[in-house]
Amino acid sequence: SQTIHQWPATLVQPVGSPLSLECTVEGTSNPNLYWYRQAAGRGLQLLFYSIGIDQISSEVPQNLSASRPQDRQFILSSKKLLLSDSGFYLCAFAHLVGETQYFGPGTRLLVL
Amino acid sequence: GESVGLHLPTLSVQEGDNSIINCAYSNSASDYFIWYKQESGKGPQFIIDIRSNMDKRQGQRVTVLLNKTVKHLSLQIAATQPGDSAVYFCAELLSGGSYIPTFGRGTSLIVHP
Repeated sequence: SQTIHQWPATLVQPVGSPLSLECTVEGTSNPNLYWYRQAAGRGLQLLFYSIGIDQISSEVPQNLSASRPQDRQFILSSKKLLLSDSGFYLCAFAHLVGETQYFGPGTRLLVL
Repeated sequence: GESVGLHLPTLSVQEGDNSIINCAYSNSASDYFIWYKQESGKGPQFIIDIRSNMDKRQGQRVTVLLNKTVKHLSLQIAATQPGDSAVYFCAELLSGGSYIPTFGRGTSLIVHP
């Protein structure tokens, strides 16, 4: 069966510090991978998606970046965090384009 | 632009009641719909899906209804339990089209024991 992992589960970082959130998928090959941010009481905002290694598409211009160094690894990064980067970050995968997305457990990020 | 929305942001029910959560979609070309359940502090969990060639699909205690005429989707939960308390949101996709689903904002279901 397929599983998706995210870490860390919770992170508290000062403004201006770097960020690295990791997402890995097991049990499937060549998944489509997604990073979302969910603000409190709000819907899901798509940040990045990837259809293959080193193939990253950005949906929202901001100080975040994403990388996919391996088939089943998706990393969300920032060089300098802003207060507005606080939120719940979710990674998701799908087997095929236009098919169901399955979400990881999420990372709660608080920027102080 | 196209959007997916929910009629009720909060729904309170008594344990044992049936719950109905609604979702309106505006892209008539969407042909695949998904319901997710998200408990506090956790990632969304797939509940049930339906394709546009169907108007009803049943799972364990859940039923999804699709009315393409009025572009409306609903999730029915039978014999609601306290463990069903969560935010429920729908997503619409165009199979073979965009990689990106459109998610609704969500409805908070509160089940009182």
